[in-house]
Amino acid sequence: EVQLVESGGGLVQPGGSLRLSCAASGFSLSHYWMHWVRQAPGKGLVWVSRINSDGRTTSYADSVKGRFTISRDNAKNTLYLQMNSLRAEDTAVYYCARDKLPMEVWGQGTTVTVSS
Amino acid sequence: QSALTQPASVSGSVGQSITISCTGTNSLVGTYYLVSWYQHHPGKAPKLIIYDVFKRPSGVSDRFTGSKSGNTASLTISGLQAEDEADYYCCSYENSDRLSVFGRGTKVTV
Repeated sequence: EVQLVESGGGLVQPGGSLRLSCAASGFSLSHYWMHWVRQAPGKGLVWVSRINSDGRTTSYADSVKGRFTISRDNAKNTLYLQMNSLRAEDTAVYYCARDKLPMEVWGQGTTVTVSS
Repeated sequence: QSALTQPASVSGSVGQSITISCTGTNSLVGTYYLVSWYQHHPGKAPKLIIYDVFKRPSGVSDRFTGSKSGNTASLTISGLQAEDEADYYCCSYENSDRLSVFGRGTKVTV
């Protein structure tokens, strides 16, 4: 079964860091571009970042550029999102999504709460 | 940043048809067939239901239909069912880097 499972969320203080993981199963991550998308409480989906299949090309939304870093370890079949200098407005459920058809497979999400 | 504009809410009765619009402020919606639609039940993973404006992934009901006119894409749900009650998001790209952007979402009430 094709599956994406996010982990690494939690409570962190403003200015802190967190690394999210997205473990793929049932397929080889190396064949696909991948995305991170987030949803703040009571708000809509917002695209965060994208990485190509070999990890050499990355893109970011303006709101996270310079603070977040997307990466992947195809040998471990895992996608990552390193989040630094976290702000209250980064509080959200973070989803990873596989891209062949656009964002065709999604994980269930992991919750990040930025609060003192 | 350009944006995709959707109505905040749309409602209908079981068996009826409803249409959700998605208007782009840049030329990408109008120029290319690169609009996708996602269904999102709260607490669950979003689901791709339409891509490339009108194509349906395998397994998605043919009650979901996508179309486009000028800078506005539309999602029509026909034969509305109770399980269609969810949030729906359109998605396209902005600027030459083709960064993804979502609309603000439309809450469908049945």
